[in-house]
Amino acid sequence: QKEVEQNSGPLSVPEGAIASLNCTYSDRGSQSFFWYRQYSGKSPELIMSIYSNGDKEDGRFTAQLNKASQYVSLLIRDSQPSDSATYLCAVNMRNNDMRFGAGTRLTVKP
Amino acid sequence: ETGVTQSPTHLIKTRGQQVTLRCSSQSGHNTVSWYQQALGQGPQFIFQYYREEENGRGNFPPRFSGLQFPNYSSELNVNALELDDSALYLCASRRPDGSYNEQFFGPGTRLTVL
Repeated sequence: QKEVEQNSGPLSVPEGAIASLNCTYSDRGSQSFFWYRQYSGKSPELIMSIYSNGDKEDGRFTAQLNKASQYVSLLIRDSQPSDSATYLCAVNMRNNDMRFGAGTRLTVKP
Repeated sequence: ETGVTQSPTHLIKTRGQQVTLRCSSQSGHNTVSWYQQALGQGPQFIFQYYREEENGRGNFPPRFSGLQFPNYSSELNVNALELDDSALYLCASRRPDGSYNEQFFGPGTRLTVL
């Protein structure tokens, strides 16, 4: 089992819809979880961090964490074409090692 | 813009050569991590430096080495380059209070090994 797994996609949603991105992780001791957005040819940009079970909202983005199920998700409401990018799930491991999933490519169609 | 800078932007080397990549962390950030991102994959953790010492390392061979300087800037050195070392190399910095390890990336250095 990979340490951080994401659906590779591609995921395509129409403009204005909700995009749902999922991630599972293997280390039960992980405490910090992050979502990064990466446009083609650019470096990852931090968009959400979450540390406690439940939901965390920031504008159109909501991160959800369920430590018992070892599951993290990101919801993007009112998706815009500018949200089209690869979304990376990252989990902080116990030895200062941040592990990333392979990313999910999202396309928002006008 | 995160305030993390990297140089050079692009680099072309041949197999067997050595390369040094540089990173300046965001103001006030004393921890720097390096990642390798191959095409179509997520970043892979190489190592982390804190107070000029390596304090975490991923599954990379010893020919990947680094330094951190008193001003918290950092270098990544790769010896005996292999074709598979072609990738985007990313530097990320973090605040001293940890902030639960929120890291901010620089623009990256694209390395091509021929």
